[in-house]
Amino acid sequence: AQSVTQPDIHITVSEGASLELRCNYSYGATPYLFWYVQSPGQGLQLLLKYFSGDTLVQGIKGFEAEFKRSQSSFNLRKPSVHWSDAAEYFCAVGFNDMRFGAGTRLTVKP
Amino acid sequence: DAEITQSPRHKITETGRQVTLACHQTWNHNNMFWYRQDLGHGLRLIHYSYGVQDTNKGEVSDGYSVSRSNTEDLPLTLESAASSQTSVYFCASSDRQGKNTEAFFGQGTRLTVV
Repeated sequence: AQSVTQPDIHITVSEGASLELRCNYSYGATPYLFWYVQSPGQGLQLLLKYFSGDTLVQGIKGFEAEFKRSQSSFNLRKPSVHWSDAAEYFCAVGFNDMRFGAGTRLTVKP
Repeated sequence: DAEITQSPRHKITETGRQVTLACHQTWNHNNMFWYRQDLGHGLRLIHYSYGVQDTNKGEVSDGYSVSRSNTEDLPLTLESAASSQTSVYFCASSDRQGKNTEAFFGQGTRLTVV
């Protein structure tokens, strides 16, 4: 069965610290992989996506993600978090239809 | 600019009533989706469509229906609203399968069933 797991429901980091959000998936083949961000009361905005090729993907707002086939993972990273990064982050997988993880809420401490 | 819009943004309805949520996109995308978002569950797929006259059930389709009579619109109907359907609903659209498969989301509709 297809599934997406984001093990961390809530993460708190200090402003300027590094960030890694985890995502693991179970799928029949290597799917397309996505990270979306949702600010309070807003829709979802695409941060980055992986289809094939280079396993390190660069996205908007200074985010990057690394695809590891052997671990079925697609973790999101940022070297230095800004207060404006506080939001809910969703990992998604699929081809024509996307399945989402439960999300990780990021809090940024001053 | 192309966009995807949902209406209404907020809706309160009574148990047992039929409710229709509208979704309109001007991207000319073939694929359209409806998700519901609930705390602890992320977004769960309700129904989706790959083109006019095509509809498919997602993970949580019971109690919902959709129809696709044109490219731009995919209305979601709750046949007989239940309190368990209180949620935030998101519509999305994307191009055909391939490297343009990024989905664009509407702003969401908050539905409360009382």
